[in-house]
Amino acid sequence: GAVVSQHPSRVICKSGTSVKIECRSLDFQATTMFWYRQFPKQSLMLMATSNEGSKATYEQGVEKDKFLINHASLTLSTLTVTSAHPEDSSFYICSARDVPRETQYFGPGTRLLVL
Amino acid sequence: GENVEQHPSTLSVQEGDSAVIKCTYSDSASNYFPWYKQELGKGPQLIIDIRSNVGEKKDQRIAVTLNKTAKHFSLHITETQPEDSAVYFCAASLGANNLFFGTGTRLTVIP
Repeated sequence: GAVVSQHPSRVICKSGTSVKIECRSLDFQATTMFWYRQFPKQSLMLMATSNEGSKATYEQGVEKDKFLINHASLTLSTLTVTSAHPEDSSFYICSARDVPRETQYFGPGTRLLVL
Repeated sequence: GENVEQHPSTLSVQEGDSAVIKCTYSDSASNYFPWYKQELGKGPQLIIDIRSNVGEKKDQRIAVTLNKTAKHFSLHITETQPEDSAVYFCAASLGANNLFFGTGTRLTVIP
């Protein structure tokens, strides 16, 4: 299947700092990428849909000013957690939609720990 | 919106036995139903998917069935192996856009 990468795989930061997570589709172009959040032993919760060249669409309850999404190219979307707090600690996973195959492929996830 | 329910939440089987996980969905417009396997600390991995124009799809030891009338679909794993142990998620969507996930099934294959 297609490959989606995420960087970093894990990050530890102090409360109040900002953290940027990159999501890349390595062997296909993705006009649409998705950002999910997953708490331990729970399912994936969609945070936002990232569309190349336009503003992201956020799910209800997700603060767009706190979770900044940029999708500047067909292979890269970034999620920036601004002014991170301990409650933002979670597993963040991106996915990319492969249009020709009409399939979504997921990245390996980023474990964020805010101290 | 779409609502996907998944059962069971946990499943233990002996190595070599079969495992079946079932999901139901609410939105009749959904036409794409993928299954993902997630190992601890990793992202979900697509293992098989099915579209609404077919009723069954098979890939080696894995098969998925879809009943559009009843709005349910199932994952079947035969000849289970310890490396099949993981959390499995079903999902439903329209055209592989916003995926609505089930709550997951933790499968344990006992050697």
